Amino acid sequence: AQTVTQSQPEMSVQEAETVTLSCTYDTSESDYYLFWYKQPPSRQMILVIRQEAYKQQNATENRFSVNFQKAAKSFSLKISDSQLGDAAMYFCAYRSFYTGANSKLTFGKGITLSVRP
Amino acid sequence: GAVVSQHPSRVICKSGTSVKIECRSLDFQATTMFWYRQFPKQSLMLMATSNEGSKATYEQGVEKDKFLINHASLTLSTLTVTSAHPEDSSFYICSATGGISYNEQFFGPGTRLTVL
Repeated sequence: AQTVTQSQPEMSVQEAETVTLSCTYDTSESDYYLFWYKQPPSRQMILVIRQEAYKQQNATENRFSVNFQKAAKSFSLKISDSQLGDAAMYFCAYRSFYTGANSKLTFGKGITLSVRP
Repeated sequence: GAVVSQHPSRVICKSGTSVKIECRSLDFQATTMFWYRQFPKQSLMLMATSNEGSKATYEQGVEKDKFLINHASLTLSTLTVTSAHPEDSSFYICSATGGISYNEQFFGPGTRLTVL
């Protein structure tokens, strides 16, 4: 079974600074998807970024980028130019590639990010 | 983008009663829907996976008779909490996949259930 580990329960960043959220995972599969989700106080889950394991290039979405290290099974999220609206709980998640749309997400415990003005 | 709605957004009920939560995909056909439970400051816990027209697959430890899931159409899944007790109080979230965005789960806004 796959596991996702987020070992830092909380982090804080100064507005306009950069912060990196860590995530490691364990799997025996060679193809899979990795995700970062944001859950603000409204509790609506928002997809931040997605990485396909077969792609060597790290995914980026505006101020959000990942450092995907497949051999190390590491998938960290970097938030640049942090904004007050980035304050939220962030979840790292894994999904198998082979079982397609029926495949469930395996979530990490999450990390609460606060942004200091 | 794909939109998933949930109704109601919050519900308060008395212990012993049943509560139904609806999850709808508004602009796509959801072949698969997922139901999660989330406690404050914790991660999402998958309760069950449902495919349209077939029985839901429950995760280990989730009581099938307690949490009834029906995925009767490609746009609607319901979660019924039967004989609710205070320990069932929680935040319930649904998600859906399907259509051209089959690689992504789209999440509903969640339902806060409080059992008195």
